[in-house]
Amino acid sequence: DQQVKQNSPSLSVQEGRISILNCDYTNSMFDYFLWYKKYPAEGPTFLISISSIKDKNEDGRFTVFLNKSAKHLSLHIVPSQPGDSAVYFCAAKETSGSRLTFGEGTQLTVNP
Amino acid sequence: GAGVSQTPSNKVTEKGKYVELRCDPISGHTALYWYRQSLGQGPEFLIYFQGTGAADDSGLPNDRFFAVRPEGSVSTLKIQRTERGDSAVYLCASSLTRAEYGYTFGSGTRLTVV
Repeated sequence: DQQVKQNSPSLSVQEGRISILNCDYTNSMFDYFLWYKKYPAEGPTFLISISSIKDKNEDGRFTVFLNKSAKHLSLHIVPSQPGDSAVYFCAAKETSGSRLTFGEGTQLTVNP
Repeated sequence: GAGVSQTPSNKVTEKGKYVELRCDPISGHTALYWYRQSLGQGPEFLIYFQGTGAADDSGLPNDRFFAVRPEGSVSTLKIQRTERGDSAVYLCASSLTRAEYGYTFGSGTRLTVV
């Protein structure tokens, strides 16, 4: 069963506009959420995270929103830049665990 | 080194053979993780080490898979009697402490079983 789901395999936006990447989860025991970015032939790179006690976390151009009642989180990138083009993974951790459960990823392409 | 180092970067092996994949974590990082990423999927947890001990190995798919970290730094993932379904990118990650979840991944080892 897929506990973390990213329903959009790909997203294309214009440079300077906002990119919104979405993620849904089913496990109520998840209490910490992360976004990773991955370039080809490289490992995933940690981008931003949010604890379940918050509903928003911001870091420069990146903001993560968490809606616990809907079991939904999103990553906003504004303004988008061509260098943001990568695969973005949503991940979640259970309260008592140490492992991360990842979504399938969304390929973001930012066009100049 | 500055990052997590994984060797080899690519490994092609015949079905039924034994392989070892190596991970050098960031110096001083006590937590070490192995994940596996199949094509079109996100990374899937295999095993977590805290120091020398495997604190959680519940993600290992079967007893053909085994991992060690004898001195609390370098780790080796061992796969016996490889099968074509084992083909994937094997990722290693480390973090300073167990509580740091935005951990650093290596570039991975791409394993192809033919």
